[in-house]
Amino acid sequence: DQQVKQNSPSLSVQEGRISILNCDYTNSMFDYFLWYKKYPAEGPTFLISISSIKDKNEDGRFTVFLNKSAKHLSLHIVPSQPGDSAVYFCAASEGGTSYGKLTFGQGTILTVHP
Amino acid sequence: DTGVSQNPRHKITKRGQNVTFRCDPISEHNRLYWYRQTLGQGPEFLTYFQNEAQLEKSRLLSDRFSAERPKGSFSTLEIQRTEQGDSAMYLCASTTFGTGAYEQYFGPGTRLTVT
Repeated sequence: DQQVKQNSPSLSVQEGRISILNCDYTNSMFDYFLWYKKYPAEGPTFLISISSIKDKNEDGRFTVFLNKSAKHLSLHIVPSQPGDSAVYFCAASEGGTSYGKLTFGQGTILTVHP
Repeated sequence: DTGVSQNPRHKITKRGQNVTFRCDPISEHNRLYWYRQTLGQGPEFLTYFQNEAQLEKSRLLSDRFSAERPKGSFSTLEIQRTEQGDSAMYLCASTTFGTGAYEQYFGPGTRLTVT
């Protein structure tokens, strides 16, 4: 079963506008969430993370929002730049003995047009 | 800090052959993870090590797969009697357990093609 889902396979945005990428999860044991960016022929690169005790974390142009009751998180990129064009993966981790083992979504291809 | 490195970057093999991949993690990281990624999907967890101890294996990891991390440094992933379904990108990641940080740092991956 897919415990982490990214329901939008792709997103197209104009440069300078906001990009919003969404992610839903089903496992209540997840207590840490991460976003990764991946360019072709490279491994995923860590972007930003959030603990389940928070509802927002911001790092420069990137903000992650967590809605635990809805089991939903989103990544906002403002302003979007052409260099942000990549595949974005949402990932989640349980605590305890499963700490650190990441469960990924299917990814969303973001294209930022100049 | 040179990052996580993986070798080879690409491997083409015939069905039934054995292959071995190597991962060199970031030197101070004590945890090392292996993931597999197929087209259109996110990475899927295979196994992980803390230092030299293999702590967990996914049910995705059949008996044909074996991983080691001797001396808690580099790791190898071997696939015996490869099948066409093994074709995928194999990713290695590392992190430091115990700091409260969950982020893992990935290598560029080894793309395996089984013909």
